[in-house]
Amino acid sequence: EVQLVESGGGLVQPGRSLRLSCAASGFTFDDYAMHWVRQVPGKGLEWVSGISWNGGSRGYAGSVQGRFTISRDSAKNSLYLQMNSLRPEDTALYYCARDRGGAGAKGYFDYWGQGTLLSVSS
Amino acid sequence: QSGLTQPRSVSGSPGQSVTISCTGTSSDVGASNYVSWYQQYPGKAPKFMIYDVTKRPSGVPDRFSGSKSGNTASLTISGLQGEDEADYYCCAYAGSYLWVFGGGTKLTVL
Repeated sequence: EVQLVESGGGLVQPGRSLRLSCAASGFTFDDYAMHWVRQVPGKGLEWVSGISWNGGSRGYAGSVQGRFTISRDSAKNSLYLQMNSLRPEDTALYYCARDRGGAGAKGYFDYWGQGTLLSVSS
Repeated sequence: QSGLTQPRSVSGSPGQSVTISCTGTSSDVGASNYVSWYQQYPGKAPKFMIYDVTKRPSGVPDRFSGSKSGNTASLTISGLQGEDEADYYCCAYAGSYLWVFGGGTKLTVL
C-alpha cells in the first residue's frame, strides 16, 4: 500500500526557516517524481515544487522561488522541503504527492499524504 | 505563472450532467495534454480523477470524463449522484518543470 506521511509543520515566526519531510513507503521511491502542493484552509490548491526521480530536475512556483528548496533522499525514501524566509502567506496545509508519470513527471498526483500544517505568525 | 480559471461553483440535480471548465493559456492547458483533475471532500486529501485530458485511473467511475478544446479543458460528470458533491480542481503543465492548478469549483448536488 502506497503511503506518504508528512511531518515538520508547526508555528514559526516570519523570516524563520523550517524543513518539511515526507516519508514514502509501499512503492519504489526512486521510480517516481514527487511534488509538494499546499492549501490554505478553505482555499484552493497551489502547486509549490516538484523534483524528478533522480533530483536532476526541480521546479518552484513563483511565490516560493528563491526561498524554498526541494530535495529527496533515496536511502531514506524521503522527500523534503526546506523553507527559508517564511512569510505569513506561506501559512497552509502542505501535501506531499507522488507523480504517476513515473520518472518523467507529468503532474499526475496519484497519491497524496494527509498534509502537515504550517502557520507563520509572530 | 497564473492560476487556471474555473467557475467558483456549479450545481445540478441527481441524474443530470454538469460540466466544469478550466481555462488557461497556450502556455499551459493549450500546450500539451498534461491536464489532470482532482476531487476533494472537506478535510480530505485530493483524489486523482482524470489524466492526459481524458483518461481515468482505475476505480474512477466512467461517469467522469474529460475533454479539451484549445486553451480550455473540461470535466463532465454525468448521472450526477449525491456523493459527487465536492470541490474539483484542474491542473496543467506550464513548461519548464512548472505546474499550475485551477482555483477550484464547488459542485453542489441539489
